[in-house]
Amino acid sequence: GNSVTQMEGPVTLSEEAFLTINCTYTATGYPSLFWYVQYPGEGLQLLLKATKADDKGSNKGFEATYRKETTSFHLEKGSVQVSDSAVYFCALSPTGGGNKLTFGTGTQLKVEL
Amino acid sequence: GAGVSQSPSNKVTEKGKDVELRCDPISGHTALYWYRQSLGQGLEFLIYFQGNSAPDKSGLPSDRFSAERTGGSVSTLTIQRTQQEDSAVYLCASSSGRNTEAFFGQGTRLTVV
Repeated sequence: GNSVTQMEGPVTLSEEAFLTINCTYTATGYPSLFWYVQYPGEGLQLLLKATKADDKGSNKGFEATYRKETTSFHLEKGSVQVSDSAVYFCALSPTGGGNKLTFGTGTQLKVEL
Repeated sequence: GAGVSQSPSNKVTEKGKDVELRCDPISGHTALYWYRQSLGQGLEFLIYFQGNSAPDKSGLPSDRFSAERTGGSVSTLTIQRTQQEDSAVYLCASSSGRNTEAFFGQGTRLTVV
């Protein structure tokens, strides 16, 4: 079946540090890949997505590239801010699967001054 | 409404009791999803509605779980004879179509004591 593996947290960084959160997946066919973010006290929000190999999703300074050869979708940001503190979830939707998402376990990010 | 609304936000119930969780999707959204977020299992898909019908119920964990949707709008997730392992945050999401962005509610935290 489909699965998503992401690095365990919590991850603690200083403001302006570089962020990488690793995500790898197992799926047949050509899934769509997503990063969702959950800020404290709020619901899950779509951060970015990529629907085919070599696509790069980007939003709010975050980027992730769909790498089919390594089955990865790592999330990166060049300079994090305190306001980026949240839980980040990697997810996939199988080919034709719409919003039937398989999520990773989530990675908590804490950014300190 | 402006976003997906779920009620109650918190529910504590005794083992063996039935509970109903409600989801009000974004107005006009035809697709609705229920997910469960628990410590042991992460975020899991439960059921998908398109309009009032549920073409995919594959994530419902047992026959104690059921869901319905009426008028293509409000959905209710019912858990009968609750067990302690049902304790989790139940998330609802809606989207305007099967493959468009899903918007999540803030969830209902269910605690079975």
